[in-house]
Amino acid sequence: SQELEQSPQSLIVQEGKNLTINCTSSKTLYGLYWYKQKYGEGLIFLMMLQKGGEEKSHEKITAKLDEKKQQSSLHITASQPSHAGIYLCGAPPRDNAGNMLTFGGGTRLMVKP
Amino acid sequence: DTAVSQTPKYLVTQMGNDKSIKCEQNLGHDTMYWYKQDSKKFLKIMFSYNNKELIINETVPNRFSPKSPDKAHLNLHINSLELGDSAVYFCASSQGTSGGETQYFGPGTRLLVL
Repeated sequence: SQELEQSPQSLIVQEGKNLTINCTSSKTLYGLYWYKQKYGEGLIFLMMLQKGGEEKSHEKITAKLDEKKQQSSLHITASQPSHAGIYLCGAPPRDNAGNMLTFGGGTRLMVKP
Repeated sequence: DTAVSQTPKYLVTQMGNDKSIKCEQNLGHDTMYWYKQDSKKFLKIMFSYNNKELIINETVPNRFSPKSPDKAHLNLHINSLELGDSAVYFCASSQGTSGGETQYFGPGTRLLVL
């Protein structure tokens, strides 16, 4: 079965600093989703990547999928307290059976004002 | 305006009881899901369901059963609740099950079994 490992597990940064979160898969990725979760709330969809080398940006968040499609990174530029939360990467199975996503363990981000 | 909603938001119950969590989506999606997030925040798929088939994660005990009265609803029934069932349960939906179908999540139901 596919496993996703996220690093770091937790991160504390000063407001205004840049940061990167990584998601590494034990198998080739056939899609990679990034979600954000705030305490007491559901998951908010950020971005989805499918092609090797693909890069997408939304506001100050950029996500990339490497050429080999086994690793994705999420980069936040000039972090703000509103970026705080748990970032989760998720991937569908190869045969896409039921589109049942496997998630990484999450990265807990805290941004100090 | 809420896309995927769940009720209740919090549920506290005794071991051995039977309980249900409701999920509704107003996105017109064909596929719905249930996920479980444990105390370590690890999120795991439980079920994937559309009007054609139910796919069950093999690790899910048969005490858990999804029931869909119509395409917009997927309720989760749990029989004989155990302490280990305490977790946050998330419902999600997507247009279909093909690759690239984004899943949209509900706010979660926090279940505590005493």
